[in-house]
Amino acid sequence: NAGVTQTPKFRVLKTGQSMTLLCAQDMNHEYMYWYRQDPGMGLRLIHYSVGEGTTAKGEVPDGYNVSRLKKQNFLLGLESAAPSQTSVYFCASSGSTRREQYFGPGTRLTVT
Amino acid sequence: EDQVTQSPEALRLQEGESSSLNCSYTVSGLRGLFWYRQDPGKGPEFLFTLYSAGEEKEKERLKATLTKKESFLHITAPKPEDSATYLCAVQAGGGGSNYKLTFGKGTLLTVNP
Repeated sequence: NAGVTQTPKFRVLKTGQSMTLLCAQDMNHEYMYWYRQDPGMGLRLIHYSVGEGTTAKGEVPDGYNVSRLKKQNFLLGLESAAPSQTSVYFCASSGSTRREQYFGPGTRLTVT
Repeated sequence: EDQVTQSPEALRLQEGESSSLNCSYTVSGLRGLFWYRQDPGKGPEFLFTLYSAGEEKEKERLKATLTKKESFLHITAPKPEDSATYLCAVQAGGGGSNYKLTFGKGTLLTVNP
């Protein structure tokens, strides 16, 4: 039981490049989330999903897109990366009956 | 707008020196308050959920308490391995079932041997 896994762990992009971050969970959770964590800002919700095929905007969605084609996977895409998107990205999931969220190990993204 | 304020921002203790971390919150109908521990370079690790004022939860040297306006994380006789950033988050009630959390900025705890 791996819990929540994220791929890749590290990535460096040039401004304007695109990439996709993959999150996978093996806990059969309904809800999945993408956060970014910046120094002095805390964790901020980017997008979330309440079930397969559904997504919704969080607190800071601009510049990001997501997809949840399978229940166990939640993808975060950056179409045209900007230096302001340099951050650590965390994926999390929670079940429909328990409210605590379980986090992955994070992806450190640098945009130059 | 839901808000979470944690204090102090950083706390340095000697091994065995007990203390408390504070989490003050404003939320429209608290559904739950969560404590997480985060080690450097890792994702937050779930510790406790508190649902109503007066509730307490314990785990080893940690005890979390909740009032209508704040929560405390009490650390009794801490050890160096308790060094980490402790995060507090709230979940609002109301309509919808998205279970979104609003996080504070955390308290960086350092326990010296």
